[in-house]
Amino acid sequence: QVQLQESGPGLVKPSETLSLTCSVSGASISSYFWTWVRQAPGKGLEWIAYVYYSGSTTYNPSLKSRVITSVDTSMNQFSLRLTSVTAADTALYYCARVIGYCSGGMCYSGRFDPWGQGILVTVSS
Amino acid sequence: QSVLTQPPSVSGAPGQRVTISCTGSSSNIGGGFDVHWYQHLPGTAPKLLIYGNNNRPSGVPDRFSGSKSGTSGSLAITGLQAEDEADYYCQSFDSNLSGSVFGGGTKLTVL
Repeated sequence: QVQLQESGPGLVKPSETLSLTCSVSGASISSYFWTWVRQAPGKGLEWIAYVYYSGSTTYNPSLKSRVITSVDTSMNQFSLRLTSVTAADTALYYCARVIGYCSGGMCYSGRFDPWGQGILVTVSS
Repeated sequence: QSVLTQPPSVSGAPGQRVTISCTGSSSNIGGGFDVHWYQHLPGTAPKLLIYGNNNRPSGVPDRFSGSKSGTSGSLAITGLQAEDEADYYCQSFDSNLSGSVFGGGTKLTVL
């Protein structure tokens, strides 16, 4: 079955760049759209980005200026970089596969399944 | 402030039925975009519960059902069990944001 696993530093200093990788097994990274979602402590889920191996991406407008995503087809992984982080970026970060109709970097009927276990990233000096 | 509005909490006794609403607008649910529902237990990965408004993935008990009408979606859980105690989130696509939006989440307590 399809499995996803997030990895990266659990602690990032303010103003620095958060970098996470999602490793995918059981499916080809080039066959689907993928997504990043986060959950700040005590808060709900927040969608961050859609990612496709071709470079088609869509970002949450509230984060767009600070988000960079990439796909490594040789490693079957995709990555998230979030620049100039603050304490407000402290959250559990999840990656997930998108299933549904996607076009032009957007996933109009996309559901997220499955999800990775999540990785807690704390922004603190 | 979430784009989709859910009640913060609902509760019910074992065996009872509860519903969780998810209210949006014409740019998301009311615009014809699908509603999906997730069950989230702390410390675990969110699990897809309902997709495409009213479809259950394989393995999800038929105690869980979804519906959509106008600008709202709804999740119903019948025959409540202690293991259903979790946070539930709705999700849809929003044409103004050109991306996915979630509800704020609803904590289900089984009394």
